[in-house]
Amino acid sequence: QVQLVESGGGVVQPGRSLRLSCAASGFTFSSYAMHWVRQAPGKGLEWVSIISNDGDIKDSADSVRGRVTISRDTSKSTLYLQMNSLRSEDTAVYYCVRDGRPGYTNSRDGLDVWGQGTTVTVSS
Amino acid sequence: DIQMTQSPSSLSASVGDRVTITCRASQSISGYLSWYQQKPGKAPNLLIYGTSSLQSGVPSRFSGGESGTDFTLTIRSLEPEDFATYYCLQTYSKPFTFGPGTTVEFK
Repeated sequence: QVQLVESGGGVVQPGRSLRLSCAASGFTFSSYAMHWVRQAPGKGLEWVSIISNDGDIKDSADSVRGRVTISRDTSKSTLYLQMNSLRSEDTAVYYCVRDGRPGYTNSRDGLDVWGQGTTVTVSS
Repeated sequence: DIQMTQSPSSLSASVGDRVTITCRASQSISGYLSWYQQKPGKAPNLLIYGTSSLQSGVPSRFSGGESGTDFTLTIRSLEPEDFATYYCLQTYSKPFTFGPGTTVEFK
């Protein structure tokens, strides 16, 4: 079945780095753009970053731009989010999400497959 | 950046009620609007995409509509499993943006 499994979360001190991973299975990973979405404790959803199916197009939210790098390894069907200079406001559950339409980074089809999330806590 | 607002922020309803949630975009998003349901401790679930298309497996009591820059999610007859928080998302222009959410509570 189609599945996304995140890992790499944990407790990290402010200013340090962390790399999140997302293992995809059950679909042709190389065909879909992928996203990261986060949710701070008790708060709403926040879109974080996107990478196109071929890895050529990347974009991020203003709140993380310059501090995060999204990447993907097609051979491993894995999505990554490298997070640097972490701040307390980065504390959240981070979800790996598939775009709803193959080959698009601006689609009307929404975000159709979500992982279970991995928790990042930035605290001294 | 495109700002998304939602109303109401919360509502109380009973099983069988008709519920409508509204999402407004700060500019035209050409129908690039989707709706998500989230229950506590769970990942969100896609309900509606492209303003009004029902995601596979989602009950037909859920529907989406549009009027200009206002978008609606309607639950025709509320079921016990529908008590949750609902978010809209625009994917017309990056950075993509979610609405702040609407919590549907049991009256």
